[in-house]
Amino acid sequence: NAGVMQNPRHLVRRRGQEARLRCSPMKGHSHVYWYRQLPEEGLKFMVYLQKENIIDESGMPKERFSAEFPKEGPSILRIQQVVRGDSAAYFCASSDTGMTGGPGANVLTFGAGSRLTVL
Amino acid sequence: GEDVEQSLFLSVREGDSSVINCTYTDSSSTYLYWYKQEPGAGLQLLTYIFSNMDMKQDQRLTVLLNKKDKHLSLRIADTQTGDSAIYFCAEKRSGTASKLTFGTGTRLQVTL
Repeated sequence: NAGVMQNPRHLVRRRGQEARLRCSPMKGHSHVYWYRQLPEEGLKFMVYLQKENIIDESGMPKERFSAEFPKEGPSILRIQQVVRGDSAAYFCASSDTGMTGGPGANVLTFGAGSRLTVL
Repeated sequence: GEDVEQSLFLSVREGDSSVINCTYTDSSSTYLYWYKQEPGAGLQLLTYIFSNMDMKQDQRLTVLLNKKDKHLSLRIADTQTGDSAIYFCAEKRSGTASKLTFGTGTRLQVTL
């Protein structure tokens, strides 16, 4: 049973290019969360998605960032026209139920992250 | 304040106990968590505690919660070199069902 799979593990982009980060949740998990970790900082919540729906995007920058979790295939975090400040590790997590339930429902399984470097 | 605060670095000798501290922000946070991050890896959930508890023990790990001071600690008994990692505390704040708020992490270095 593979865990949360993220790819690519490392991505280098020049300023102005697009970055696409992919996340396949654990088998049986239909809830996906994206977090960003800037150097020397903790993780910051970006977005929470269920299949085909964005549930909470309160942590997403208003411009250039978008996320989707289609009916088939992985969740995608897309960053358009990247800037140096986008350089960070982007972590995806998944859960089998949403974050509103009891303790069991609040366990997130994290992927190994995608490290984006913008030159 | 808005931030979950942790000290940045802790060094202990192998076999000693480690205590990692965290000050969180929301007195009505429902759950508090400790995650471990090894180099180049994702976060691994170590343990969590309900806000109505003041202590939880799980093998070498002991979590203490002081709600009055909004202080959380993680004690690792008999610390091993394999415990070297970054440890993050996180809170689930009331009214924010979808997200965890993480601290900045404490880097634990275990020396021989």
